[in-house]
Amino acid sequence: GESVGLHLPTLSVQEGDNSIINCAYSNSASDYFIWYKQESGKGPQFIIDIRSNMDKRQGQRVTVLLNKTVKHLSLQIAATQPGDSAVYFCAEKEGGGFKTIFGAGTRLFVKA
Amino acid sequence: EAGVTQFPSHSVIEKGQTVTLRCDPISGHDNLYWYRRVMGKEIKFLLHFVKESKQDESGMPNNRFLAERTGGTYSTLKVQPAELEDSGVYFCASSQFGNVGALHFGNGTRLTVT
Repeated sequence: GESVGLHLPTLSVQEGDNSIINCAYSNSASDYFIWYKQESGKGPQFIIDIRSNMDKRQGQRVTVLLNKTVKHLSLQIAATQPGDSAVYFCAEKEGGGFKTIFGAGTRLFVKA
Repeated sequence: EAGVTQFPSHSVIEKGQTVTLRCDPISGHDNLYWYRRVMGKEIKFLLHFVKESKQDESGMPNNRFLAERTGGTYSTLKVQPAELEDSGVYFCASSQFGNVGALHFGNGTRLTVT
């Protein structure tokens, strides 16, 4: 069935280190994947997305990797900063579909 | 450009009472979505409007939940009567194109049913 899940509920990293947040999905028909960041008291905010015809996409300090063979998605944050502390959600959409399916989220703690 | 706004930000009601949540999407966004996050779990889809029409309401938990979007602008989500398990954060999101692109979320309404 449709489900998007995360391997770890929390992640703690030292400021300046790189962070890697992982996500597994189960719907083979999904062809669009998005990472959202949710800060306390706010709604999820778009970080970066990737389509299934790509395996890597880079943004400013963030990189998303997609492995369709094992249905795995990851978000890499370079030089993690205190402002990166938040809950990160991966989400997926089926080709041509309108519904975005979210996972449970990973809480990222950045230690100064 | 104003973002998605939701009202109220918090609501505390007793079991059996009624609550109405409101969402104002980004102007020009035909697609409006309601989601809910319960007890720190995943953000679950409730329903999707295209303009004033319900495109998909497969995520609505039961008939105590009623969503409307009269005129295709703002939307309301009414819970009547509220139950304890309805507590959570209700998010509204909008997008210009439903089948492509990311969602723009409001800050949510935290509903507590006691």
